Amino acid sequence: EADIYQTPRYLVIGTGKKITLECSQTMGHDKMYWYQQDPGMELHLIHYSYGVNSTEKGDLSSESTVSRIRTEHFPLTLESARPSHTSQYLCATRRGLNTEAFFGQGTRLTVV
Amino acid sequence: EDQVTQSPEALRLQEGESSSLNCSYTVSGLRGLFWYRQDPGKGPEFLFTLYSAGEEKEKERLKATLTKKESFLHITAPKPEDSATYLCAVQALGSQGNLIFGKGTKLSVKP
Repeated sequence: EADIYQTPRYLVIGTGKKITLECSQTMGHDKMYWYQQDPGMELHLIHYSYGVNSTEKGDLSSESTVSRIRTEHFPLTLESARPSHTSQYLCATRRGLNTEAFFGQGTRLTVV
Repeated sequence: EDQVTQSPEALRLQEGESSSLNCSYTVSGLRGLFWYRQDPGKGPEFLFTLYSAGEEKEKERLKATLTKKESFLHITAPKPEDSATYLCAVQALGSQGNLIFGKGTKLSVKP
């Protein structure tokens, strides 16, 4: 059973605000990922990390930033939210490149 | 370019009516293929991993199979609780860990 948690589950915020989406896991996995998913569309990778102090941008260009100071936490930050950032953000963790990814419940972000 | 295409986009079945979902993929080399189930407003839930052509995995009413170009998710005698979006993803050899997802098949099972 995967233990990966995302907060908040839902967030409605005004344009220009700074926000941080939290992701925590208790599985001890080094590999963590952030995906963005719009309704009826594929998941797109926006950031990933292979361990503490390691972060990389994914295939989908994103104005967000991430940090990995502790193995358990992989927060995603938007310095200035815009309506185009409205989407579902999913955090995931994997033990290895050959193994399945475990996903959190997601954060549905709406920027008004 | 690595790519995953799922069909059909949507499938409506009567309870007990068996069917199959398709996942076609093009990758430079396949490290693994993954099936997930996603309920509305939730994160994907892992179902199966397949690594090589000819491999099959089974769980309750679901069975996943893999060939060199596609995978099928067979649903036998589905129930309304099987209603969900089913996602397929591939991991390519030499990639940096990025799973490439299809858009999914939205399955509705009516009682």
